[in-house]
Amino acid sequence: QKEVEQDPGPLSVPEGAIVSLNCTYSNSAFQYFMWYRQYSRKGPELLMYTYSSGNKEDGRFTAQVDKSSKYISLFIRDSQPSDSATYLCAMNFQAGTALIFGKGTTLSVSS
Amino acid sequence: DAEITQSPRHKITETGRQVTLACHQTWNHNNMFWYRQDLGHGLRLIHYSYGVQDTNKGEVSDGYSVSRSNTEDLPLTLESAASSQTSVYFCASSGYGTSGGSYEQYFGPGTRLTVT
Repeated sequence: QKEVEQDPGPLSVPEGAIVSLNCTYSNSAFQYFMWYRQYSRKGPELLMYTYSSGNKEDGRFTAQVDKSSKYISLFIRDSQPSDSATYLCAMNFQAGTALIFGKGTTLSVSS
Repeated sequence: DAEITQSPRHKITETGRQVTLACHQTWNHNNMFWYRQDLGHGLRLIHYSYGVQDTNKGEVSDGYSVSRSNTEDLPLTLESAASSQTSVYFCASSGYGTSGGSYEQYFGPGTRLTVT
């Protein structure tokens, strides 16, 4: 079993839809959880950073962490064609240390 | 603005050659990392460093080496390039962020390496 599991998709939605992206993990010692967005042929770009359990909101994006279920989510409201990208979840045990990534989910938003 | 750069952006080399990929960051971060990204595998850690003269092996370190002589640079060397090392390589650095005291990790634009 991989430490971090993420459905690769692809996921296709119409513009304006609410998108839900998810990851599960096996190691309960993970403390810090991140979501990155990666456009084709570009480096990953940090979207959301969350410590421990709870919710964090930033504009149209909401990150949720449920440590009891070992489950994290990223919600995108009012999705736009510019949100079309691969979304990577990542996590680590201590702040600033190496990340363990999911394989990424490819999202396509059509206008 | 602070940034992280990688060079070259694209490289084609032959099997058996030594190749060095450069990574330079102006964030003044102590922590630096090298990952490779392959279809079906996602991003995997090759080597990392938590400060000058410190280097550590990651999940897929065989055939790679790094050295850290200053804060800004962490070059990645492929000792004898193999076709299995054809990949996209990303450098990253991590330090204390400006948002809520987080340690955020930033990535460079990547180097696309082809070994023929």
